[in-house]
Amino acid sequence: GNSVTQMEGPVTLSEEAFLTINCTYTATGYPSLFWYVQYPGEGLQLLLKATKADDKGSNKGFEATYRKETTSFHLEKGSVQVSDSAVYFCALRANTGGFKTIFGAGTRLFVKA
Amino acid sequence: DVKVTQSSRYLVKRTGEKVFLECVQDMDHENMFWYRQDPGLGLRLIYFSYDVKMKEKGDIPEGYSVSREKKERFSLILESASTNQTSMYLCASSLPPLGTGGNQPQHFGDGTRLSIL
Repeated sequence: GNSVTQMEGPVTLSEEAFLTINCTYTATGYPSLFWYVQYPGEGLQLLLKATKADDKGSNKGFEATYRKETTSFHLEKGSVQVSDSAVYFCALRANTGGFKTIFGAGTRLFVKA
Repeated sequence: DVKVTQSSRYLVKRTGEKVFLECVQDMDHENMFWYRQDPGLGLRLIYFSYDVKMKEKGDIPEGYSVSREKKERFSLILESASTNQTSMYLCASSLPPLGTGGNQPQHFGDGTRLSIL
């Protein structure tokens, strides 16, 4: 079945450091891939998405590239800020077999000033 | 912007009570979902609905039921609340997959933190 694996946290970085959160997936067909972010006390928000191989999603300085050959969708940001402290979820939605979105376990990011 | 509104941010109930969690979305989305979120377990799908009056079990439906009488509203019901149902509950909505493309993201409410005493 479909699944998403992302790196365990927490990840602790200093402000202006480079961020990578790894995400790999297993899916049949050609899923769409997403990164969601959850700030403390809130629900999840869509951060970025990519719908086909080699697409790059980007938003708020975050980027992720849909790599079909490595089944990966790693999240990157060149210079993190304290306000980026949150939990990040990688997710996929398959184009066959129904309506579900499959979420990774989430990676908590702490950014220190 | 899509707005998904959950009726309560915090709720405290007693064991054995029947509990209703309400969710309303304002973007005419066909699909709606209920998840619970627990530390170390991520998001787990309880039930979803792909259209009015339609419902499907998710991964952990035991102890829960749902109702979708109108397109904009999706209710989660705890038939007889138990302490192991203390959790954060998240509602989400989305458009259905587009043809062969599944590229519709989910839109989430802010969550209801439910405590069962």
